[in-house]
Amino acid sequence: ETGVTQSPTHLIKTRGQQVTLRCSSQSGHNTVSWYQQALGQGPQFIFQYYREEENGRGNFPPRFSGLQFPNYSSELNVNALELDDSALYLCASIPGVLGQSSMNTEAFFGQGTRLTVV
Amino acid sequence: DAKTTQPNSMESNEEEPVHLPCNHSTISGTDYIHWYRQLPSQGPEYVIHGLTSNVNNRMASLAIAEDRKSSTLILHRATLRDAAVYYCIPYFTWGAQKLVFGQGTRLTINP
Repeated sequence: ETGVTQSPTHLIKTRGQQVTLRCSSQSGHNTVSWYQQALGQGPQFIFQYYREEENGRGNFPPRFSGLQFPNYSSELNVNALELDDSALYLCASIPGVLGQSSMNTEAFFGQGTRLTVV
Repeated sequence: DAKTTQPNSMESNEEEPVHLPCNHSTISGTDYIHWYRQLPSQGPEYVIHGLTSNVNNRMASLAIAEDRKSSTLILHRATLRDAAVYYCIPYFTWGAQKLVFGQGTRLTINP
């Protein structure tokens, strides 16, 4: 039990639609990251938010966007869904502050949201 | 990003020790080495991390080579619940704190 919850657990959307996935982090965890995991692959970093501001992004287009709220919840939004967006989407929360000290901490992952685009 | 090399798969028997190797020859001096595992249908789970010294916790031990170019995750007495994909991840935070997952090692435990 990591204390990180994601909703919904499963979702089916049609190509071209928009989707919002939600994550609730542990209290006090100021950093949240989102990952996409295609079937049979390792998770790929989408972006990260620290204190409600995006501070890093992986190789994902702008139609992937996010929000982080003061109550330690966050959202991942994907516009104009494509079939290749079908994947497990994971959020991870990290305690503490940015910087070198954070390498000495663990990330807490949620169970993920399985998105299927048809 | 530092590159890692892990065996695609390994197999062991229940109640026996398991040694999972990882090569990370391009690691920098400030990268911690983290290990995560992912059980079927679950998110990744933290296992252990270290910088230079060998580390132990209730789940596993981490042996880091003196030159830091490789490490070994040791499960002292494997159980069926340890069957998972294990990821070795050099972790740095210049910019975003991203974990760069490779393909990992799929560990099978035989009863």
